[in-house]
Amino acid sequence: GQNIDQPTEMTATEGAIVQINCTYQTSGFNGLFWYQQHAGEAPTFLSYNVLDGLEEKGRFSSFLSRSKGYSYLLLKELQMKDSASYLCAGLDSNYQLIWGAGTKLIIKP
Amino acid sequence: IAGITQAPTSQILAAGRRMTLRCTQDMRHNAMYWYRQDLGLGLRLIHYSNTAGTTGKGEVPDGYSVSRANTDDFPLTLASAVPSQTSVYFCASSEFGNSGGTDTQYFGPGTRLTVL
Repeated sequence: GQNIDQPTEMTATEGAIVQINCTYQTSGFNGLFWYQQHAGEAPTFLSYNVLDGLEEKGRFSSFLSRSKGYSYLLLKELQMKDSASYLCAGLDSNYQLIWGAGTKLIIKP
Repeated sequence: IAGITQAPTSQILAAGRRMTLRCTQDMRHNAMYWYRQDLGLGLRLIHYSNTAGTTGKGEVPDGYSVSRANTDDFPLTLASAVPSQTSVYFCASSEFGNSGGTDTQYFGPGTRLTVL
């Protein structure tokens, strides 16, 4: 079956760095997405990885290892506004997104 | 501003009633999707459409129907609502659908539906 696993909740301190891990099993693989979702709002696109390695985009970076079925989202210089849920999703061979349940990130001052 | 709109924002519905959730996009995207989001679960795909005139079933299609008469609109209908359909419903669109591409999905603001 297809499955996306990520931690349910994480806590970090303002100004620090946090890494949110995601492991995936999909039928075929056409890339991995990270989305951010603030409470009560719609998910918004953060990053897309299809090749192994690190993609950096400002304070946010995303890493992919296809051989390990593993990705992480790295958030640097955390700000209070980064408090949100972070959704990992794998794109399978039919170009359907398989979603994880999301990681709720709590930022403390 | 280009994007996706959904209506209504929220709705309380009696069990057994028929309800249509509306979704409109102005980005001329080929593909559209309906998801439900429940606490502790990932987004679950209900139905999708890769292009106007075609639709497909997702992971949890039972009790729901869709139509795609044109590129912009993708309504979701609950023929006879049941309490287990209480959820937040998100409509999304993407440029390519199953034609490939990175296929970033853009989401509407959601409809919060409560079935009593």
